[in-house]
Amino acid sequence: NAGVTQTPKFRILKIGQSMTLQCTQDMNHNYMYWYRQDPGMGLKLIYYSVGAGITDKGEVPNGYNVSRSTTEDFPLRLELAAPSQTSVYFCASLDRLSGNEQFFGPGTRLTVL
Amino acid sequence: DQQVKQNSPSLSVQEGRISILNCDYTNSMFDYFLWYKKYPAEGPTFLISISSIKDKNEDGRFTVFLNKSAKHLSLHIVPSQPGDSAVYFCAASGETSGSRLTFGEGTQLTVNP
Repeated sequence: NAGVTQTPKFRILKIGQSMTLQCTQDMNHNYMYWYRQDPGMGLKLIYYSVGAGITDKGEVPNGYNVSRSTTEDFPLRLELAAPSQTSVYFCASLDRLSGNEQFFGPGTRLTVL
Repeated sequence: DQQVKQNSPSLSVQEGRISILNCDYTNSMFDYFLWYKKYPAEGPTFLISISSIKDKNEDGRFTVFLNKSAKHLSLHIVPSQPGDSAVYFCAASGETSGSRLTFGEGTQLTVNP
């Protein structure tokens, strides 16, 4: 199993550009999450999904959108990039029936200039 | 409102000694607590967890203690090894938050040879 994979690893955007951060998991987990981590801070939940077709806002959803058309994929969309969205983004997944331990991807480092 | 706090941004210990990482929480609805470990340029990996029905959980060199009355938990690593050098995040969840985790800011542990 590859676990949770994220692409790209790094990206530099200009203000106002848009992009999609990709996240895929091959563990057949029903729950998936997007977090951002700013320097010296903990992880903040952006959006999450409890299954295909179901998504909900987390703590910091403004400026982002998500979709969940399959169990495996949970892309995060930035429509109008702003410098405040410079951060490291982590995707995670969870098999809710097995417990509360989320499995994380390696992250995407995004810089908006 | 920071519901989970790790007040020590960094901790330095000698190899072979005990490392104690602390975490405080304010939300009395939290009933499940986790510790994650994070190396640079990688995603967090699950380390150990504890349910609120217990006050201690042990896994090899790692032990987590929970003091519900003080809303405090700690992670003990004995003996500490240089490979334990990483950022450690405390996280919590509860019935009202479902599977969503609230993370602390993290503590950078450095174990010196």
